[in-house]
Amino acid sequence: DTEVTQTPKHLVMGMTNKKSLKCEQHMGHRAMYWYKQKAKKPPELMFVYSYEKLSINESVPSRFSPECPNSSLLNLHLHALQPEDSALYLCASSQGDRGLSYEQYFGPGTRLTVT
Amino acid sequence: AQSVAQPEDQVNVAEGNPLTVKCTYSVSGNPYLFWYVQYPNRGLQFLLKYITGDNLVKGSYGFEAEFNKSQTSFHLKKPSALVSDSALYFCAVLRRGNNRLAFGKGNQVVVIP
Repeated sequence: DTEVTQTPKHLVMGMTNKKSLKCEQHMGHRAMYWYKQKAKKPPELMFVYSYEKLSINESVPSRFSPECPNSSLLNLHLHALQPEDSALYLCASSQGDRGLSYEQYFGPGTRLTVT
Repeated sequence: AQSVAQPEDQVNVAEGNPLTVKCTYSVSGNPYLFWYVQYPNRGLQFLLKYITGDNLVKGSYGFEAEFNKSQTSFHLKKPSALVSDSALYFCAVLRRGNNRLAFGKGNQVVVIP
């Protein structure tokens, strides 16, 4: 099973709202990722968790707050977003074998619209 | 730093004809190379990878890719394109020991019936 699940599929939120995106994998992967993707563009890396510790933050604004409660779950907490944050948010996971990573498996994404 | 170039914006091919999507990379040391496909409003699907070994790599849905170290290329190929292959294709490179996957800009493939 190479499935990564994400909820919700769609989310519309106002600029003062607080919401969370959720991601889950049961492949025993130890690296998990959040990406932001605009239409017809490649995904942009936001955060990497390796062995449940934040290892990479690509200078993402603090209105995005990641959390990794356990090795299977990854959350992205959203607060006070801007309209330009509207995008497809993708979660991915990989084996993450102590600094060596292989292919990443992506979830279907959450389509976020900020009004 | 690692980078990937996909020189074409769109690739048009007639159904049944061979499909080629080009990719060149730049990375220090030996790379991990990947191809992903994305259908509209979907996440990225892993197609194939080159880690080591044979330069010709076979992947999902009849796709294959050839690793050429001297030309730093990893072109994606399919002998006979299907209309259902119409999608956005991304080449990506990973430097060994690094969790940052560098994507190319993507190629829109349009297979014409």
